[in-house]
Amino acid sequence: DTGVSQDPRHKITKRGQNVTFRCDPISEHNRLYWYRQTLGQGPEFLTYFQNEAQLEKSRLLSDRFSAERPKGSFSTLEIQRTEQGDSAMYLCASSPGQIYGYTFGSGTRLTVV
Amino acid sequence: AQSVSQHNHHVILSEAASLELGCNYSYGGTVNLFWYVQYPGQHLQLLLKYFSGDPLVKGIKGFEAEFIKSKFSFNLRKPSVQWSDTAEYFCAVIGASKIIFGSGTRLSIRP
Repeated sequence: DTGVSQDPRHKITKRGQNVTFRCDPISEHNRLYWYRQTLGQGPEFLTYFQNEAQLEKSRLLSDRFSAERPKGSFSTLEIQRTEQGDSAMYLCASSPGQIYGYTFGSGTRLTVV
Repeated sequence: AQSVSQHNHHVILSEAASLELGCNYSYGGTVNLFWYVQYPGQHLQLLLKYFSGDPLVKGIKGFEAEFIKSKFSFNLRKPSVQWSDTAEYFCAVIGASKIIFGSGTRLSIRP
């Protein structure tokens, strides 16, 4: 499979627990994006990497959220001390450049109970 | 700030009807626009994109969109919809460093 892979597909966690999601982008793509999508809404930008450098973080991203892309390949998104409001679909996308658009993964659906 | 507005939240059509989904954007710089589609249970897929040149852009599956700069619009059209077009459609614009999405329009097709 040469698309964008996300793991896990679903995660149910108790409030207050930490969770970590992984994204494997298309190997030739140097840009990687994380978005969050809730029911009935479009994807909201969270953060963006070019190679291993995190170039932008949304103001939506509280201090409980952190993302890494250590070798410029896969990326992880960690949420600490999860809250019910964190329940959403977390989407990863990669791109060789903005003019090409993004290729999205299938997402990780997080449910905080 | 960059933004995209999709005023139709839910559109219901019969098969073979014509489709037009509205999209208006707000962005001061060079405008690059997209339409993405999300079929039930699937990931977001690119339908079409506009960067420059002919303002009438053709995409996959018979969809097209027209960029009208004076109206800040990029409406999506299809002359005859099929049941398989049931999906959520998102208009998007490139901001300074990332794509900004509208809230989406859910399209339901009656067989």
